[in-house]
Amino acid sequence: DIVMTQSPESLAVSLGERATINCKSSQSLLYSSNNRNYLAWYQQKSGQPPKLLIYWASTRESGVPDRFSGSGSGTDFTLTISSLQAEDVAVYYCQQYYGNRCSFGQGTKLEI
Amino acid sequence: QVHLLQPGAAVEKPGASLTLSCQTSGYNFTDFYIHWVRQAPGQGLEWMAWIYPKTTETKFAQNFQDWVAVTMDTSSGTAYLEFKKLKSDDTSVYFCARGWGRLLDLWGQGTLVTVSS
Repeated sequence: DIVMTQSPESLAVSLGERATINCKSSQSLLYSSNNRNYLAWYQQKSGQPPKLLIYWASTRESGVPDRFSGSGSGTDFTLTISSLQAEDVAVYYCQQYYGNRCSFGQGTKLEI
Repeated sequence: QVHLLQPGAAVEKPGASLTLSCQTSGYNFTDFYIHWVRQAPGQGLEWMAWIYPKTTETKFAQNFQDWVAVTMDTSSGTAYLEFKKLKSDDTSVYFCARGWGRLLDLWGQGTLVTVSS
């Protein structure tokens, strides 16, 4: 099974500053036939279900603000929030959907 | 508008069986996967299983393979997660989510299951 490892476990960033969360997979998530990385990012605010932010490693879901961006390929990926807003306080998870079985990273708690 | 409706809570004793429901609406039920994800208190997300209504194929995480089942009723657009024998450490929130393949694009609000004697 593919193991996803996020870093850091928690992160405190000032309003308006950049936040960066890393995610590493135990095997490549790049599918050679379509050149796509099967990696998604989710945001979970307190008391709510997760919300899909980014898929294919870098494609924003409809309605997601453009301050959120995803990058990386193969086994190393990054979620960046360019200018942190108060409403971005949440736990962020990466998820691989390459295999038949999904798996999530352990989560990164983002605080102000 | 797409909805995945889950009961808010369930309470059962250890050793009991339990079935959770996920009632969908607003899309063609057979075109998308339904996934189940567990979140223990204060913990992260743990993928459990998926079912693909078009083929009835299922897949489980190894941790859950022997003690849960996933089923569905196509006529009502409802998916079910069945626990065979609950343990106290099954106390968690259980989410269902619509899957575009293994990408989970829309989530239910989750059911808080409390297992206590």
